[in-house]
Amino acid sequence: NAGVTQTPKFRVLKTGQSMTLLCAQDMNHEYMYWYRQDPGMGLRLIHYSVGEGTTAKGEVPDGYNVSRLKKQNFLLGLESAAPSQTSVYFCASSPWFEPGEAFFGQGTRLTVV
Amino acid sequence: DQQVKQNSPSLSVQEGRISILNCDYTNSMFDYFLWYKKYPAEGPTFLISISSIKDKNEDGRFTVFLNKSAKHLSLHIVPSQPGDSAVYFCAASDGNNNDMRFGAGTRLTVKP
Repeated sequence: NAGVTQTPKFRVLKTGQSMTLLCAQDMNHEYMYWYRQDPGMGLRLIHYSVGEGTTAKGEVPDGYNVSRLKKQNFLLGLESAAPSQTSVYFCASSPWFEPGEAFFGQGTRLTVV
Repeated sequence: DQQVKQNSPSLSVQEGRISILNCDYTNSMFDYFLWYKKYPAEGPTFLISISSIKDKNEDGRFTVFLNKSAKHLSLHIVPSQPGDSAVYFCAASDGNNNDMRFGAGTRLTVKP
């Protein structure tokens, strides 16, 4: 009963490097999201997807790209990492008929040095 | 521009007493409100929600109250237990899954 799984759990990047965070859900949910959590800021929406093959920008999309080629997977990419992207990243999914009640992964702690 | 605010970063209560966590919002378009609970090194988990057509929703020890005129909601936990110690996030949505805004969180500590 995995739910939402994020890979990796921790990562340290050098400024300018690129990486992809993987989110996988096994609940057949239509909606998937990427959030970042920073101290004193709560969770902020980066990008989201309302179904396979669709993506859209959230509140803080700059510096990130996403793809949803398969319904169960949502990838978050950083093309050129910056120290400002040091954060904890959470992926979430939700069924379309239950607005707001999202299921979250365990998070990825990313440090950009 | 934080549309959802939790002004108390931390709260400490004694086991068995009531915990009251507060949340204010500024966007009058929000019509669905949620509380999430987060333990260290885990993702947030959904706790309880309330629609704007109600002013109260109860689930066991957890009750959420909504005051639309004041744009304020609160989460009551009665009685509080040590296992309730966690960070609680308030969230609000305008009815679209893609626009859920979170507060900064309140760390609740329940002392035995």
